[in-house]
Amino acid sequence: EVQLLESGGGLVQPGGSLTLSCAASGFTFSNYAMGWVRQAPGKGLEWVSTISLSGGTTYYTDSVKGRFTISRDNSKNTLYLQMNSLRGDDTAVYYCAKDFIFRGVQGIVDSWGRGTLVTVAS
Amino acid sequence: EIVMTQSPATLSVSPGERATLSCRASQSVTSNLAWYQQKPGQAPRLLIYDASTRATGIPARFSGSGSGTEFTLTISSLQSEDFAIYYCQQYNNWPPWTFGQGTKVEIK
Repeated sequence: EVQLLESGGGLVQPGGSLTLSCAASGFTFSNYAMGWVRQAPGKGLEWVSTISLSGGTTYYTDSVKGRFTISRDNSKNTLYLQMNSLRGDDTAVYYCAKDFIFRGVQGIVDSWGRGTLVTVAS
Repeated sequence: EIVMTQSPATLSVSPGERATLSCRASQSVTSNLAWYQQKPGQAPRLLIYDASTRATGIPARFSGSGSGTEFTLTISSLQSEDFAIYYCQQYNNWPPWTFGQGTKVEIK
């Protein structure tokens, strides 16, 4: 069974930094692209970032480019999201997301973590 | 960026009735469209991909149709566990991958 377990969320001041982690199990992590999707309180889903199998290619939504960095450690089956210069509109539940396609990047999310809440406030 | 628009925002349906949800793309996404279900306090769950293929373990009462810019999710006979928010998402032109704003299916 695929399991994705996020951690690292919390309260941070505007301009601060936070690193999210996602521990994956139940599948061969290195064979799948991974990403982050967020959901602001009471709002819809927003794709944030995706990373290829090897980590060599990354994608970001425009609003986080230059501030967020996605990475992965295939030896530890772990996905990361380093978030810098955080703003109030970054407040959201951040979900770890596994891509559906084997050894490719497609964007269908077939497995989701339970999410970790990031609150940016003073 | 492809904009996904869902309608209606809220759909009131009685248990056992059919629900029809719509999703429109601002430009063609061919059949590269997925549907997700999200219940309160839970992560989303993949229902449909490639516009009409049910994901593993999804009941047959869920069906998807459409191509190009117009898509439909149909729930043939609503069960109590189907009351939730449903999102469509395109994966044809990326990045970014984009979601609709959601349709809430509530009990009438």
